[in-house]
Amino acid sequence: DIVMTQSPSSLAVSAGETVTINCKSSQSLLYSGNQKSYLAWYQQKPGQSPKLLIYWASTRQSGVPDRFIGSGSGTDFTLTINNVQAEDLAIYYCQHYYDTPYTFGAGTKLELK
Amino acid sequence: QIQLVQSGPELKKPGESVKLSCKASGYTFTDYAINWVKEAPGHGLKWMGWINTQTRKPTHADDFKERFVFSLETSASTAYLQINNLNIDDTSTYFCTRGKFWDSFDYWGQGVMVTVSS
Repeated sequence: DIVMTQSPSSLAVSAGETVTINCKSSQSLLYSGNQKSYLAWYQQKPGQSPKLLIYWASTRQSGVPDRFIGSGSGTDFTLTINNVQAEDLAIYYCQHYYDTPYTFGAGTKLELK
Repeated sequence: QIQLVQSGPELKKPGESVKLSCKASGYTFTDYAINWVKEAPGHGLKWMGWINTQTRKPTHADDFKERFVFSLETSASTAYLQINNLNIDDTSTYFCTRGKFWDSFDYWGQGVMVTVSS
């Protein structure tokens, strides 16, 4: 199974700051047939279901603010949130969908400083 | 609009069974697989498996092969998760979510809390 390792596990930020969340996969998520990395990022607020933010490592889901930026390829990925807003406080998960079983990272909890 | 609406919370005793539903609307049900995801308290998200809504073939993650049944009622655009012989460790929130094969999950149900307690 592909293991997804996220860091940090938690992050305390002030509004307006930029944060970076890292995700590393135990094997490459890049499929040579289409040059796409099979990696998604989700945001989960307390008491809510996860919400898809980014897919194919860097494509923003419709309606997601452009302060959310996904980057990376292969085994190393990053979610950057520019100008953090209070509404961004949540747990962020990376997930691969390269092959079953799909696995999630352990999550990064974004909190207010 | 696209929605996945799940059934209500359940309180069960160890050894009992539970059947959760996930009703889809706003899209052609058979165009997307239905995945099931477990969120145990303090344990993040775990993919349980999926069911192909065209062939009805289920695929289970290793930890969810023995007591977990995925099924469909296609005429009602509804997917089901049945958990047999419940134990304390099954106390979790269960989400259904749609996705094409080897694709991300773009819509999620609201989740259903299952509590197993004697």
